[in-house]
Amino acid sequence: SQKIEQNSEALNIQEGKTATLTCNYTNYSPAYLQWYRQDPGRGPVFLLLIRENEKEKRKERLKVTFDTTLKQSLFHITASQPADSATYLCALFMDSNYQLIWGAGTKLIIKP
Amino acid sequence: EPEVTQTPSHQVTQMGQEVILRCVPISNHLYFYWYRQILGQKVEFLVSFYNNEISEKSEIFDDQFSVERPDGSNFTLKIRSTKLEDSAMYFCASSEWGRGGTDTQYFGPGTRLTVL
Repeated sequence: SQKIEQNSEALNIQEGKTATLTCNYTNYSPAYLQWYRQDPGRGPVFLLLIRENEKEKRKERLKVTFDTTLKQSLFHITASQPADSATYLCALFMDSNYQLIWGAGTKLIIKP
Repeated sequence: EPEVTQTPSHQVTQMGQEVILRCVPISNHLYFYWYRQILGQKVEFLVSFYNNEISEKSEIFDDQFSVERPDGSNFTLKIRSTKLEDSAMYFCASSEWGRGGTDTQYFGPGTRLTVL
């Protein structure tokens, strides 16, 4: 079955620097991959989606890359701010069963 | 901005009792979902619902679970006989299209279910 790996250790980044989070998956590539933000006790909030035939997507300070050869997506936040501190989840949409499969998330801490 | 709402925010119940979790999806959305997240663990898909019937369900969604859209606005998740391991955060989500589309799912704030 499909497995998704995100760095389980918290990522500490200095304010103003670029934060890079990794999402690796096993097995076959998903139809598309999504990144969400989750704050404690809250529901996930959609950030970006990238399709399997796309290499890169951008939205303001956010950038997502998708490498189906490496089976990896990278999520970048440039000019990071303390307000960016949250857990970031990647989720893969599997068109085999029309379900979103989720990673465990990486906690990002931006220090002033 | 439209949002998904869920009630109650926290539900405490005794093992073996039935619970109903309620959600109001975004009004023009056609697909509805339930997910759960056990504390400190991954979000897990439970079920998707379209056109008044279940579209997809996971292995977690066994006979103890059911979903319903009793009227034009509410979407409910019922757990018939709760177990201790049902304790989790339950999230409702909705999307405009859903199946097979590159569609965004909008999540509610969740209901924390505690089974004693």
